Amino acid sequence: AQSVTQLDSQVPVFEEAPVELRCNYSSSVSVYLFWYVQYPNQGLQLLLKYLSGSTLVESINGFEAEFNKSQTSFHLRKPSVHISDTAEYFCAVSSPNAGGTSYGKLTFGQGTILTVHP
Amino acid sequence: NAGVTQTPKFQVLKTGQSMTLQCAQDMNHNSMYWYRQDPGMGLRLIYYSASEGTTDKGEVPNGYNVSRLNKREFSLRLESAAPSQTSVYFCASSEDWTSAGELFFGEGSRLTVL
Repeated sequence: AQSVTQLDSQVPVFEEAPVELRCNYSSSVSVYLFWYVQYPNQGLQLLLKYLSGSTLVESINGFEAEFNKSQTSFHLRKPSVHISDTAEYFCAVSSPNAGGTSYGKLTFGQGTILTVHP
Repeated sequence: NAGVTQTPKFQVLKTGQSMTLQCAQDMNHNSMYWYRQDPGMGLRLIYYSASEGTTDKGEVPNGYNVSRLNKREFSLRLESAAPSQTSVYFCASSEDWTSAGELFFGEGSRLTVL
């Protein structure tokens, strides 16, 4: 079975400060990792994903995440946040090679609310 | 391009009433999903449909039924609503079951059961 733990339920920061949202996963097989973002009163949108290859992945709006297999982590970072980054962020994992009913299913973390203050 | 459309956006039910949440996607996706979102618990998979004509239980299926009406539409039915089903429900779709987690979500349906 796979699981995801987001270590912080809320992260308040000031505008232009750096931020890190922490995510750890547990899985007995190889994984795909994702960060989704949910703006107020909207559905989730894919922010970035790690499938294979380079362990550092980037989004178009300046976020990046690094897959660390030894620490089973996939932390999300941004060097300088904006007010518009205020949202809830979800880390998610799937185990494409798990077989059976696990194949293709996403497991989400509990979410981290990022609040950017002026 | 509408993407994934859910109706209704808001609903209040009394315990024991029934209702159906409707979902439609216009991206020609093969796989569709229903999740519920509760504070501090992230999203939990209720049911999914890997392809037209198939449905399977997810993590929290009790109290729900689904119908994959056609390739575009996937409905979620509560036969006898309970207060524990108060939640925000999200429908999602993906190109197929091997899309490696790239899901497209609707805007959600907020359900309150009194």
